[in-house]
Amino acid sequence: GQNIDQPTEMTATEGAIVQINCTYQTSGFNGLFWYQQHAGEAPTFLSYNVLDGLEEKGRFSSFLSRSKGYSYLLLKELQMKDSASYLCAVRDGGTYKYIFGTGTRLKVLA
Amino acid sequence: EPEVTQTPSHQVTQMGQEVILRCVPISNHLYFYWYRQILGQKVEFLVSFYNNEISEKSEIFDDQFSVERPDGSNFTLKIRSTKLEDSAMYFCASSELAGVYEQYFGPGTRLTVT
Repeated sequence: GQNIDQPTEMTATEGAIVQINCTYQTSGFNGLFWYQQHAGEAPTFLSYNVLDGLEEKGRFSSFLSRSKGYSYLLLKELQMKDSASYLCAVRDGGTYKYIFGTGTRLKVLA
Repeated sequence: EPEVTQTPSHQVTQMGQEVILRCVPISNHLYFYWYRQILGQKVEFLVSFYNNEISEKSEIFDDQFSVERPDGSNFTLKIRSTKLEDSAMYFCASSELAGVYEQYFGPGTRLTVT
């Protein structure tokens, strides 16, 4: 079956670094996406990985290991505005179907 | 900055009624998607659309659902006979191309079925 697992909730302090993990089991794989979703709003794109390794984009980095079915999103220098849900999504191989995880709700404390 | 727009922002309808949710994707994008998110739950893929036809659909997208691109700008989702369990936020998204390209999401339409 298709499954994506993420922790439900995480808490971190302003200025700190936090790592949000995502593991997936899908019938195929053609890329992993991270989205940020503030409460009541639409998801916004953060990053994309299709090959193994680290992709860095400012304060955000995302890592992928296809052999382990594992990804993480790293947020550095946390700010209060980073309090949001972070969604891991996989594009099913050879299709235009995207499977989302339940999201990780991050609370950044002062 | 170009954005995906959706109307209405909130739709209340009675069970059994038909609803049409409207979206205007970003103008140079070629791939269009509908997702839904039941309150407190994960985003669920419904359908992808390219070149005036459905590319992929999920198990949720049954015969009650249909999509259409009636003109060069609008992309619509129709639910023929709404059920209580159709109550959710419906997001439209578009991407320039498929796969590697990020999807831009619209602000969503909150559908409430009573």
